[in-house]
Amino acid sequence: SQKIEQNSEALNIQEGKTATLTCNYTNYSPAYLQWYRQDPGRGPVFLLLIRENEKEKRKERLKVTFDTTLKQSLFHITASQPADSATYLCARRTPGAGSYQLTFGKGTKLSVIP
Amino acid sequence: DAGVTQSPTHLIKTRGQQVTLRCSPKSGHDTVSWYQQALGQGPQFIFQYYEEEERQRGNFPDRFSGHQFPNYSSELNVNALLLGDSALYLCASSLFSGLADNEQFFGPGTRLTVL
Repeated sequence: SQKIEQNSEALNIQEGKTATLTCNYTNYSPAYLQWYRQDPGRGPVFLLLIRENEKEKRKERLKVTFDTTLKQSLFHITASQPADSATYLCARRTPGAGSYQLTFGKGTKLSVIP
Repeated sequence: DAGVTQSPTHLIKTRGQQVTLRCSPKSGHDTVSWYQQALGQGPQFIFQYYEEEERQRGNFPDRFSGHQFPNYSSELNVNALLLGDSALYLCASSLFSGLADNEQFFGPGTRLTVL
């Protein structure tokens, strides 16, 4: 079965640096990978989606890459701020019209230190 | 415009009891999905409802059932509660279409504690 793995449970970085989070998948390439932010006690908030035929996607200080050879997606936050501290989740979406079944990784808790 | 709303916020039950959680989707959305998130884990897909029918189901036992109403709101029912059912239950809404970029909006969740 398809698995999504986020190997780092926690990541601490200094304010202003670039945070890089890793998401690996097993077996076949997912059609879409999505990244979410989750704050304590709240539901996940959608950040970015990348398709398997895309290598990179950007949104403001966020960048996502997709490497089907390495079976990996990297999520970057540039010029990180303490407000970026949260848990970041990677998810694979089951393709198909209307289908919205997401398979999530465990998440990486990012702490940006002032 | 209200986003996805869920009730109640918190709930405490004992083993063997039954529970019903409620969800109202974001305005304009017609599809509701339910997820279970245990502490320190990512959300796990339970099932998805569209046009008042269960369309997809994850690896959850029949104790988990749901319903969708004509106004697109939804309920999640869990029977014969186990200690392991303690989790944050998330509802997410979306628009049923083939567009990959359609965003799925999550509610704040219901924290269920089973004693």
